[in-house]
Amino acid sequence: DAGVIQSPRHEVTEMGQEVTLRCKLISGHNSLFWYRQTMMRGLELLIYFNNNVPIDDSGMPEDRFSAKMPNASFSTLKIQPSEPRDSAVYFCASSLGGVSNQPQHFGDGTRLSIL
Amino acid sequence: AQSVTQPDIHITVSEGASLELRCNYSYGATPYLFWYVQSPGQGLQLLLKYFSGDTLVQGIKGFEAEFKRSQSSFNLRKPSVHWSDAAEYFCAVVLMEYGNKLVFGAGTILRVKS
Repeated sequence: DAGVIQSPRHEVTEMGQEVTLRCKLISGHNSLFWYRQTMMRGLELLIYFNNNVPIDDSGMPEDRFSAKMPNASFSTLKIQPSEPRDSAVYFCASSLGGVSNQPQHFGDGTRLSIL
Repeated sequence: AQSVTQPDIHITVSEGASLELRCNYSYGATPYLFWYVQSPGQGLQLLLKYFSGDTLVQGIKGFEAEFKRSQSSFNLRKPSVHWSDAAEYFCAVVLMEYGNKLVFGAGTILRVKS
């Protein structure tokens, strides 16, 4: 089975531009997590969904960030407008939600650089 | 507040030597605990997990971890390290009240010298 698929793997853009990161969940999984990883702050949970519904978005930095699940197998994380401090590696992960002991499976991440 | 502490930011071991990476958690109930590994440029891969039962759990790549309730610890071990084990290792605990929301430790970077 395919794992979690993220695209693009790398994104370089100028500040002020809109950035859209994409994630395809593992088939059958119904929980989706977006993380951001930086040297300074480590791995931070931004938002997570269960059955397409956002459960906890307390980690979303500000209104410039938004995440959606247009269907059960796909999610987007959008930053508009982007700023240099948004530069980081963004990971999504999926799991069988509602069962606490099910591990999360991570994608390979999107390395985002805002110039 | 629930938290996970990995006291060692960097560890260097010789190839073939044994390894122990430390993890302490702060959580009221019996936790669900995980160890993940991240190689450069890649996502996190699950090494092993503990939910209940036998406190010594086996994982992939020859790793094991032992849950010690009295010490609030879940240390990762490997008897003989290989150069390919060089990576960053993350301990994590599940927050039950938020479904399976994970709280990660800060990570330990493992360097292996030949």
